[in-house]
Amino acid sequence: EIVLTQSPGTLSLSPGERATLSCRASQSVRTSYLTWYQQKPGQAPRLLIYGASSRATGIPDRFSGSGSVTDFTLTISRLEPEDFAVYYCQLYGSSPRFTFGPGTKVEIK
Amino acid sequence: QVQLVQSGAEVKKPGASVKVSCKASGYTFISYDINWVRQAPGQGLEWMGWMNPYSGNTGYAQKFQGRVTLTRNTSVSTAYMELSSLRSEDTAVYYCAIARRDTVLMVYTEWFDPWGQGTLVTVSS
Repeated sequence: EIVLTQSPGTLSLSPGERATLSCRASQSVRTSYLTWYQQKPGQAPRLLIYGASSRATGIPDRFSGSGSVTDFTLTISRLEPEDFAVYYCQLYGSSPRFTFGPGTKVEIK
Repeated sequence: QVQLVQSGAEVKKPGASVKVSCKASGYTFISYDINWVRQAPGQGLEWMGWMNPYSGNTGYAQKFQGRVTLTRNTSVSTAYMELSSLRSEDTAVYYCAIARRDTVLMVYTEWFDPWGQGTLVTVSS
């Protein structure tokens, strides 16, 4: 079973700063299988990025995804007040079919 | 628009069962798998299982095998998640989500979009 690790656990930044979130898989995975979600308190997760780098409909272009093999990155180029949230990476696979990382909280510094 | 609306909060005693519903609208219900994910208070997301509304086929995370049952009623475009032998550790928000699928970089893949609003299940004596 592939394990996803996200770092850092918490990222303290100011609005306007750049956020770089990491998701690492315990073994090589297909790039297409990696997805990113955003979750705000009291809300359901929202799709941001699928296929490691494809932005979902309606997602601002300040969000971008990259990476391959075992290392993937979600970058928020300039943090807006509404971007402070928890971000999860997810892996599509065979067994189990889906795996989530533990999440990275982006908080206001 | 595509939407999933879940049933309301539940309070159950240890050992009981709970059945959460997820009503779909805005698309053809049988077109996409429905997945279930739970989130314990202050914790991360945990995938539980999937169901194909067309065939009724299901697949479960090993952790929940034998305790969770996913079903559907296509006449009302609704999916159901039933969890039995509840214990305090099952206290969580339970989400349903549509599994979208496509070929990305020439490889078939799936992801969740959208999600239901969540249903809080509290297990307490």
